[in-house]
Amino acid sequence: AQTVTQSQPEMSVQEAETVTLSCTYDTSESDYYLFWYKQPPSRQMILVIRQEAYKQQNATENRFSVNFQKAAKSFSLKISDSQLGDAAMYFCGYTPLVFGKGTRLSVIA
Amino acid sequence: DVKVTQSSRYLVKRTGEKVFLECVQDMDHENMFWYRQDPGLGLRLIYFSYDVKMKEKGDIPEGYSVSREKKERFSLILESASTNQTSMYLCASSLRVGNNQPQHFGDGTRLSIL
Repeated sequence: AQTVTQSQPEMSVQEAETVTLSCTYDTSESDYYLFWYKQPPSRQMILVIRQEAYKQQNATENRFSVNFQKAAKSFSLKISDSQLGDAAMYFCGYTPLVFGKGTRLSVIA
Repeated sequence: DVKVTQSSRYLVKRTGEKVFLECVQDMDHENMFWYRQDPGLGLRLIYFSYDVKMKEKGDIPEGYSVSREKKERFSLILESASTNQTSMYLCASSLRVGNNQPQHFGDGTRLSIL
């Protein structure tokens, strides 16, 4: 079965601190990419970052970076210098169609 | 900018009604998807389509059907609405079949079945 596991239903972080959201997956696909989506209270899902499975180098988008461990099938998201606007549900997944159950991130001022 | 538009943000219907949820994208994307989102369950795929008049069942298609008569429009149909279909419904689209194209989402429709 193809699955994605986000083991932290909820997390919190102090403003300006760093937080890491964990994600593990299981797939038999050889060609796929991994992604993190953010869903703020406004509800629209926004792509935060994505990683091609064949690339060794970890993807980075400004304050967001991933730690991709292909052998361990792990794909964690690190948010540096957390801001109040980072508060949201975060979904990990891989293409084409598999999402985790989400992690709700709270940012404390 | 990419735009996926869902016809309603909130919808209230009665048990047994036939319900239509509409989704339109303006990016000429081949792929379109319908998900439902429930607390603690994440996003679950209902149906997807990779071309006009083509459809594929997702993980939870029971009680739903879809229609894709035009490339830009993908409709989700609840044939006879039931209370357990009260949920948030998300539509998404992506460019062509393949494993490296991100999905673009609409704002969601919160559907309540009374």
